[in-house]
Amino acid sequence: KQEVTQIPAALSVPEGENLVLNCSFTDSAIYNLQWFRQDPGKGLTSLLLIQSSQREQTSGRLNASLDKSSGRSTLYIAASQPGDSATYLCACNTGKLIFGQGTTLQVKP
Amino acid sequence: NAGVTQTPKFQVLKTGQSMTLQCAQDMNHNSMYWYRQDPGMGLRLIYYSASEGTTDKGEVPNGYNVSRLNKREFSLRLESAAPSQTSVYFCASSENPSQSGPLAGELFFGEGSRLTVL
Repeated sequence: KQEVTQIPAALSVPEGENLVLNCSFTDSAIYNLQWFRQDPGKGLTSLLLIQSSQREQTSGRLNASLDKSSGRSTLYIAASQPGDSATYLCACNTGKLIFGQGTTLQVKP
Repeated sequence: NAGVTQTPKFQVLKTGQSMTLQCAQDMNHNSMYWYRQDPGMGLRLIYYSASEGTTDKGEVPNGYNVSRLNKREFSLRLESAAPSQTSVYFCASSENPSQSGPLAGELFFGEGSRLTVL
């Protein structure tokens, strides 16, 4: 059974810092992995989708990597801003989507 | 471009009452989904519709029914609400089913419907 874990559950950093959010999964036979952002009281917004054949995807200040052999994905946020404060979730597709519980990020001005 | 629209945004029910959550997408996506999000449990799939005319159970289908009315609309019905169904419900859509493996497209979510059952 696929289990997806995101550690830490919460993170607080000063503005301008580069940071890494972690996502680990137990079943390496995934088709793809998706990172989402969720603002309080809102839905999920898709950030990046990495196919199993890819090692990384980039969008602006965001870079997501995928290492299936170690069961890990990371979301790198460069030069963090207060507007990046949100909960970030990863979801693994092994034929169905399994979500992690998220990391709540606070970027302090 | 509205994306995925859910109604209502908030609802309070008494135990035993029924209600329907509505969802519509304007992206011409084939697949639609209903999730619930609970503290400590994350997002769990209730039902999904891989294409117009089909529906299938997800992880937690008990107590719910769905209707794929047409390609745009996918509704979720609670026939007899229970306090355990207090949750935030999200509708989502994608071009291809999330269960299609490597063809699975990105998921696009609505803003959620917050349901309280007393």
